[in-house]
Amino acid sequence: EAEVAQSPRYKITEKSQAVAFWCDPISGHATLYWYRQILGQGPELLVQFQDESVVDDSQLPKDRFSAERLKGVDSTLKIQPAELGDSAMYLCASSLQSDEQFFGPGTRLTVL
Amino acid sequence: AQSVTQLDSHVSVSEGTPVLLRCNYSSSYSPSLFWYVQHPNKGLQLLLKYTSAATLVKGINGFEAEFKKSETSFHLTKPSAHMSDAAEYFCVVTPFSGGYNKLIFGAGTRLAVHP
Repeated sequence: EAEVAQSPRYKITEKSQAVAFWCDPISGHATLYWYRQILGQGPELLVQFQDESVVDDSQLPKDRFSAERLKGVDSTLKIQPAELGDSAMYLCASSLQSDEQFFGPGTRLTVL
Repeated sequence: AQSVTQLDSHVSVSEGTPVLLRCNYSSSYSPSLFWYVQHPNKGLQLLLKYTSAATLVKGINGFEAEFKKSETSFHLTKPSAHMSDAAEYFCVVTPFSGGYNKLIFGAGTRLAVHP
């Protein structure tokens, strides 16, 4: 069964450092999503891609967060510099157009 | 604006007893509603969805939910809990009927199942 892959699964970093997360969506899925899930809360959409184009980044803190999907396949989410409040689970999901979203296992970030 | 409120942060049941996880929604449009489940160290999995067809929706693993517009509710139920049902459950709304688009998640309900 095809799955969304994410790496790393866990990341510990110090504040002011740069971190990057990688996501490989299900093959053929044109739409890719990055969510942030703070402990005790539901996931919140950070950015949505349609192929290589950003269609919604209204909740992305653009002063420190960036996301790219250069070839319209895999994607990278970067934080520079990391802050204590960025500690959270970062989830990637993919879908066929606006179809059901399939989620990866997530990357748990701890900022010290 | 669209939002969901999950009325219980934690629910504890005994194995074999019914499960009820409560969700109220707010939407300016005819919404689509979903329930997702999150097991530890696993990705979110879709349990069931309502997209303006039948108001009683059946999902995987014996779960079902009923859309009640008059009460703006979409509660999740299961007749008999199993140990494997222990997980975090999220009620989700999207403002576009019939589609998924932007998902808005509730805060989650943690279900514990005791022997």
